[in-house]
Amino acid sequence: QLQLQESGSRLVKPSQTLSLTCAVSGGSISSGPYSWSWIRQSPGKGLEWIGYVYHTGTTYYNPSLNSRVTISLDRSKNQFSLTLSSVTAADTAVYYCARGNGILTFYYFDYWGQGTLVTVSS
Amino acid sequence: DIVMTQSPDSLAVSLGERATINCKSSQSVFYSFKNKNYLAWYQQKPGQPPKLLIYWASTRESGVPDRFSGSGSGTDFTLTISSLQAEDVAVYYCQQYYNTPLTFGPGTKVDIK
Repeated sequence: QLQLQESGSRLVKPSQTLSLTCAVSGGSISSGPYSWSWIRQSPGKGLEWIGYVYHTGTTYYNPSLNSRVTISLDRSKNQFSLTLSSVTAADTAVYYCARGNGILTFYYFDYWGQGTLVTVSS
Repeated sequence: DIVMTQSPDSLAVSLGERATINCKSSQSVFYSFKNKNYLAWYQQKPGQPPKLLIYWASTRESGVPDRFSGSGSGTDFTLTISSLQAEDVAVYYCQQYYNTPLTFGPGTKVDIK
């Protein structure tokens, strides 16, 4: 059974960088045809897809966050990571990692982590 | 971006009765080349992540009870719970994966009447 677990900074100061990691167990992040996504949920904006990294390392980001987001794979640790720079209070949300399943770049999400609340505050 | 809307915002249904949730996309999510609608449905209970119920608009995920069904094509879709159970109290979201950015609907809250 595939399991995903988020970890990382829970409190981030404004203008600093948010960093989260998703550890994957029960399956390899290097095997296709899956992608590995970050999704966030805040009361004001609902569920928002941040971006994903394909098993090859290719990335796709939401244009609304594109200039601030980096998602990367660490195959040796079977995990993937999110960094979001120049954060503001609007980035306060529960952040989920999830596996994308589907065809090519078209993914629905069949496995999710439990989520981690990240608060941006001084 | 493809904008997803859902109706109603919330509904209350008696136990054993039918619940119907609608989802509309701002453009068609039907990919004729694959003959598929790129639309998924999720259930989220408080304090939990979303759980995949339906993908390709009408394919039930493994382990999902058959009282959950999805239908529709193009821009208009429906999630039906044929006989509401107490454990179905949750917020339900639709998601399109026809195009990036992948987008979700705002959610529909289902309660017991």
